[in-house]
Amino acid sequence: NAGVTQTPKFQVLKTGQSMTLQCAQDMNHEYMSWYRQDPGMGLRLIHYSVGAGITDQGEVPNGYNVSRSTTEDFPLRLLSAAPSQTSVYFCASSSSGWANYGYTFGSGTRLTVV
Amino acid sequence: GENVEQHPSTLSVQEGDSAVIKCTYSDSASNYFPWYKQELGKRPQLIIDIRSNVGEKKDQRIAVTLNKTAKHFSLHITETQPEDSAVYFCAAGNYGGSQGNLIFGKGTKLSVKP
Repeated sequence: NAGVTQTPKFQVLKTGQSMTLQCAQDMNHEYMSWYRQDPGMGLRLIHYSVGAGITDQGEVPNGYNVSRSTTEDFPLRLLSAAPSQTSVYFCASSSSGWANYGYTFGSGTRLTVV
Repeated sequence: GENVEQHPSTLSVQEGDSAVIKCTYSDSASNYFPWYKQELGKRPQLIIDIRSNVGEKKDQRIAVTLNKTAKHFSLHITETQPEDSAVYFCAAGNYGGSQGNLIFGKGTKLSVKP
C-alpha cells in the first residue's frame, strides 16, 4: 500500500511550457484534491474531485486543468507555466465514508518556473 | 466560500509548557475540522480532527475543542517537547456538501525551546 504517490518530486520549467503533475493513490479513495503551498500562504485548494469523471474548482484554479478518468489517478496540468506558479504542489486523497473522512497527502512536487 | 483564519502565525514556548492555536471559520455549513502538522520539507500529516457532533476530542498530549456557535476551534498541546516544533495548519470542510473542499488556515510555526 503506497498511499498517495506524486511524480516528479522536482521540476524546473521555462515560462510558457506546459507539463502534467501526476498523482496516484492505491487506497480506493473517492475524494482527491490538489493544493499549492507558498510561504506564508498556507495550503490553497486548486481543484478537487469527488469521484471518477467529476471535478470542481477550488480557491486558485486559474492556469490549471484536471481530469479524473479513473479512481486512482488525478493529474494536474499546467497549461502555460508562469513564474507565479512556482510553488510546492501537494495531492491529497480521502475516503468518502464519514467515519473515515480525512485527507492523506502525497510527498509533494517542488516546481520552479524560470 | 469558506474562509479560515488562524492565529498566531508564530508561537514560541518552553519545553513542558502548553501551546494553544486558534482558528475561526466563516461557513456555518462546515462540519469537519482537522489539524495537520508539517515538519520542514515534509508533507502535512493529520494529527487530530473533530466533527461537528462533538465539542472536544483528546489524543494523549493533544486536544481540539470546537465552538460551533462562535465558529471557532482550537488545538491544545500540553507538555510540549522539542519534537513538537513544526508548522501546524487548521482546516475546515463541509462533508456531505462540497466534499473535498477542505480549506486551510495559513499556518502557525511552533518552536519549542529546550
